Amino acid sequence: QQKVQQSPESLTVSEGAMASLNCTFSDGTSDNFRWYRQHSGKGLEMLVSIFSDGEKEEGRFTAHLNRASLHVSLHIREPQPSDSAVYLCAGDYGGSGNKLIFGTGTLLSVKP
Amino acid sequence: AQTIHQWPVAEIKAVGSPLSLGCTIKGKSSPNLYWYWQATGGTLQQLFYSITVGQVESVVQLNLSASRPKDDQFILSTEKLLLSHSGFYLCAWSPWTNERLFFGHGTKLSVL
Repeated sequence: QQKVQQSPESLTVSEGAMASLNCTFSDGTSDNFRWYRQHSGKGLEMLVSIFSDGEKEEGRFTAHLNRASLHVSLHIREPQPSDSAVYLCAGDYGGSGNKLIFGTGTLLSVKP
Repeated sequence: AQTIHQWPVAEIKAVGSPLSLGCTIKGKSSPNLYWYWQATGGTLQQLFYSITVGQVESVVQLNLSASRPKDDQFILSTEKLLLSHSGFYLCAWSPWTNERLFFGHGTKLSVL
């Protein structure tokens, strides 16, 4: 069974400072890698999906993928207090989101 | 616009009692449907997915079953609840061959 390790468990940044989150996968067979966030008591919101090595930007969110090192990261530019949430990375092992393996999550707090 | 509705919002049940959780998607025909589960403090895990009426694939075995009786409805159930079934259950849908995954607000289940 594939596993996903996320770090850090929690992160506090000041408003406007860059926030960086990391994920390491047990193998690189995932079709694509995704980042989601979950505000307290709400469902999940997909932020960015990346398939190829390199980076992919969606607004203030940029994902970096390195399949050789089994590592994917998320960088949040100019975070706002409203970005405070749990951030989850996931590997899509079935294609089209049919088999997602999630990481344990990073709790991000953005201080005004 | 598409909407996803989960019910109930929260449930408190006794060990050994039956369970039925429901999910309905409106505004989208033939969606892919998913059930996810997250134990308190645990990782989000995919349980089932369905790409068409009457067809359900199991991803993780947790003594639960799922059915898709209608195109827009996904049901999660069990005849006998275990303590380990406690947690947060999320229903999700995605358009066919689309990587975006849209989640409902979830059901919090407490098994006592």
